[in-house]
Amino acid sequence: ETGVTQTPRHLVMGMTNKKSLKCEQHLGHNAMYWYKQSAKKPLELMFVYNFKEQTENNSVPSRFSPECPNSSHLFLHLHTLQPEDSALYLCASSTSGGRYEQYFGPGTRLTVT
Amino acid sequence: GESVGLHLPTLSVQEGDNSIINCAYSNSASDYFIWYKQESGKGPQFIIDIRSNMDKRQGQRVTVLLNKTVKHLSLQIAATQPGDSAVYFCAETAQGAQKLVFGQGTRLTINP
Repeated sequence: ETGVTQTPRHLVMGMTNKKSLKCEQHLGHNAMYWYKQSAKKPLELMFVYNFKEQTENNSVPSRFSPECPNSSHLFLHLHTLQPEDSALYLCASSTSGGRYEQYFGPGTRLTVT
Repeated sequence: GESVGLHLPTLSVQEGDNSIINCAYSNSASDYFIWYKQESGKGPQFIIDIRSNMDKRQGQRVTVLLNKTVKHLSLQIAATQPGDSAVYFCAETAQGAQKLVFGQGTRLTINP
């Protein structure tokens, strides 16, 4: 175990649904990340939070809405997704932003029908 | 964390042989590099890192080599075992950056 947990591990949702992905880290880190992993782009950075503040939004569509209430928790709220959003969503954390090794959770396998 | 469906470069080696996985990077300002391993059903896991003031670093059965002149990074795995089967990613970052940049990955398969 890496100290980063993600729930749910699998999620199937329709295009009109609203769902949320949850990530929790038990490592005392201050930075958290959302990545998308799909056949087109193996590891695509979506969002970065450093000390609860968003420091990176990699041109992610607004149907993905992140939330970081504290340094240990990170959410990704999903609404009106498209089938091409089906992918593995990975959460990671690090000591601080960018220049430290990141610890990844197991991911949430999302299927949009 | 499986990468099923990804059309990744693939390296096949015999069990017991040494494996060498290569990575080219483009940012000459990058000064910190990491290798990750992603097994099926899991997220990427840290293997080894190296800073630009070094050209070689060794871990347990793994060695990372950095050639800054040609912007090339390699991961050597000694005496490859079935458990080494995975997708391997290199990642880089530069001074002042707030993120890691990941390579596309290489799938390592072990032949018995």
